[in-house]
This record gives sequence, C-alpha cells and structure tokens, in this order.
Amino acid sequence: AQTVTQSQPEMSVQEAETVTLSCTYDTSESDYYLFWYKQPPSRQMILVIRQEAYKQQNATENRFSVNFQKAAKSFSLKISDSQLGDAAMYFCAYRRIQGGSEKLVFGKGTKLTVNP
Amino acid sequence: DTGVSQDPRHKITKRGQNVTFRCDPISEHNRLYWYRQTLGQGPEFLTYFQNEAQLEKSRLLSDRFSAERPKGSFSTLEIQRTEQGDSAMYLCASSRDNQPQHFGDGTRLSIL
Repeated sequence: AQTVTQSQPEMSVQEAETVTLSCTYDTSESDYYLFWYKQPPSRQMILVIRQEAYKQQNATENRFSVNFQKAAKSFSLKISDSQLGDAAMYFCAYRRIQGGSEKLVFGKGTKLTVNP
Repeated sequence: DTGVSQDPRHKITKRGQNVTFRCDPISEHNRLYWYRQTLGQGPEFLTYFQNEAQLEKSRLLSDRFSAERPKGSFSTLEIQRTEQGDSAMYLCASSRDNQPQHFGDGTRLSIL
C-alpha cells in the first residue's frame, strides 16, 4: 500500500529565509505523480507544485522547488524568500492509479509558521 | 473557471439526523473526488467518479454513506443516521483527465 510520511508536524521560518519541508513515500510503482498542496487556515487546498516520477529534473515554481530523490523515495519542498502569506498547512500527496480509479494519498501535513 | 463549489460551508446537526452535501465541479472536469479531513490530519479518500460512474469507494465509506453524480455534473454526498465520529471537513475535488485535482472550500460537519 502506498503511504506518505511527513515527519515534521510543525516548522517555522523567518521572513525572507529559506525552509525545507520533508516528505517520504512508499510505493512499488515506477511511474507516478507527487504533489505539494498548501492549505491556509479556513481556506481551500491549493496546488503548490507537482513532480512526475519519470522526470529526473526537479520541478520549480517561482520560489518553490522540490528535491526529488526517487531511489530514496524522498520528495522535499523548499520555499525560498519566505513570505508571511506562505504560512499554512503543507501536505505532500501521492497520486495512486489502480484499476481504472485514482486518488490522492496525503501525509499528515506540516504546519508552517512565518515569523516577521 | 469559477472553481469547485461546495454547499453548505457549515452544517450543524443532531446525532441520528441525515445530511446531504453538494459539490459543483469546475466546468468540463470529468473526474470528481470526495475526501474527509479530521483535525490535524491530511485528507482521506472517500470516493471517485469518472463522469457519472462511481469507480471506487473507500472502506471508510460505511453503508450510511452514499454518493451520486447524476449526469456527470454536480455530486451529492449523503450521510444517514449521523454519528459523532462523522464530524469532519468534507472536501470535494475535480480534475480533467490527468491534470491535478482542484479542491473546493469544503463542508464542515459538526454533530451535536
């Protein structure tokens, strides 16, 4: 079974600094998608970045980048130049496709605090 | 693109009552998903529709839960004889083909 583990329940960072959120996953598949979603307090879940497993190049979206280590099954998120608006719960997710169905399997999340 | 819409935003009900939630996906999104999120946890998958066909239903979805997506447009999630343990945020998401899922604001259910 696919599982996603986020080992940091909470993290904090100073405004303008860089922070890295960790995520590991378990799967026996060779091709899959990984995602980071952001959920601000009382607001909807927003896609931050995605990575296709067959692509060796790490995905980047402006200040957000990932360090994808396929052999280690690690998928960390780096936020550069942190802003107050980055404060939120961050969820790592694995896209499972099986038997004509699909779903996201989420980790428990990391609460990010940005200090001014 | 008006986003995924969920109604109501909040629902408070007494234990034993039935509740129904509605989700309107992004126009032309053929895939629709329901998730449940409890405090301090990540969302957990409940069920998946491709067009009007319900292709997967989680074991989390007991026989008190039913979901429909008539005509492959909006979807409803009904919980019968609600229990305390049903208190959670119910999230709906939609996607088109292999594109990422877009989430709604969710319906927060509180059982008295």
